[in-house]
Amino acid sequence: QSALTQPASVSGSPGQSITISCTGTSSDVGTYNYVSWYQQHPGKAPKLMIYEVSNRPSGVSNRFSGSKSGNTASLTISGLQAEDEADYYCSSYTSSKTNVFGGGTKLTVL
Amino acid sequence: EVQLVESGGGLVQPGGSLRLSCAASGITFSSYWMSWVRQAPGKGLEWVANIKEDGSEKYYVDSVKGRFTISRDNAKNSLYLQMNSLRAEDTAVYYCARNRVRLDPWGQGTLVTVSS
Repeated sequence: QSALTQPASVSGSPGQSITISCTGTSSDVGTYNYVSWYQQHPGKAPKLMIYEVSNRPSGVSNRFSGSKSGNTASLTISGLQAEDEADYYCSSYTSSKTNVFGGGTKLTVL
Repeated sequence: EVQLVESGGGLVQPGGSLRLSCAASGITFSSYWMSWVRQAPGKGLEWVANIKEDGSEKYYVDSVKGRFTISRDNAKNSLYLQMNSLRAEDTAVYYCARNRVRLDPWGQGTLVTVSS
C-alpha cells in the first residue's frame, strides 16, 4: 500500500495552466479508472474535483480536467485563479480492494 | 443537502480506545459504501477503511488492521470506527466520506490525539 507519487509543489501565475502528476503502479492507477482528485484549503475538509480519471462533479469549474496514461494520472488547471491555491491529492482504487492517496501537492498562485 | 458529521474525537493515552461516529443526513445512507480517511497534523491524507452498503465487506489500510474496526448502523444512518490499541502515530483528524472511490462529500473531521 505505497502512496502514489505527486510533486510536493507546483506554481503558476494567474491565467496560466498547470499540471499535477500522480504516479502509481499497475496495481492501482495503471489498471483501474478509479482515479480521483481532491482539493483542500487550509483547515478545511477535502473536496472532490475529479472522479473516474476525467469526470467533474456538478459545480466544479470546467477549468479543472483530468487524464491518465499508463501508471500516471494528471490534473490540469487552466486559467489559474487565486482561489485555486490549495493542496491537491490524487487517489486510486487498488487491486487489494483498498484505496491509496498521493502525498499531496501544494499549488501556489504567484 | 448531504451532510456528514463526525464526533467522538479527543485525547487518549497510548494503548487506549476510542469510538468515532459519523452521522449522515440528506442521503439514503444504506445505498452507499462509506469510508474513513485520516490526516496527521501537517501531513497528507491517508485512507483508513471502508465498508459496503450492508456491512458485509470491510477493508483496512495495513497499519490499522487488527486494531480498528469499521461498522455501520443503517437504521441510525451512522458510521463508526472503533479504534483500539491506539498509538501516537494514530494522531490525526479523522474524516468520514460517502462512497468507496469517489469520496464525496466529506465531513468536517474530528481530531484524535494519542498522547500521555
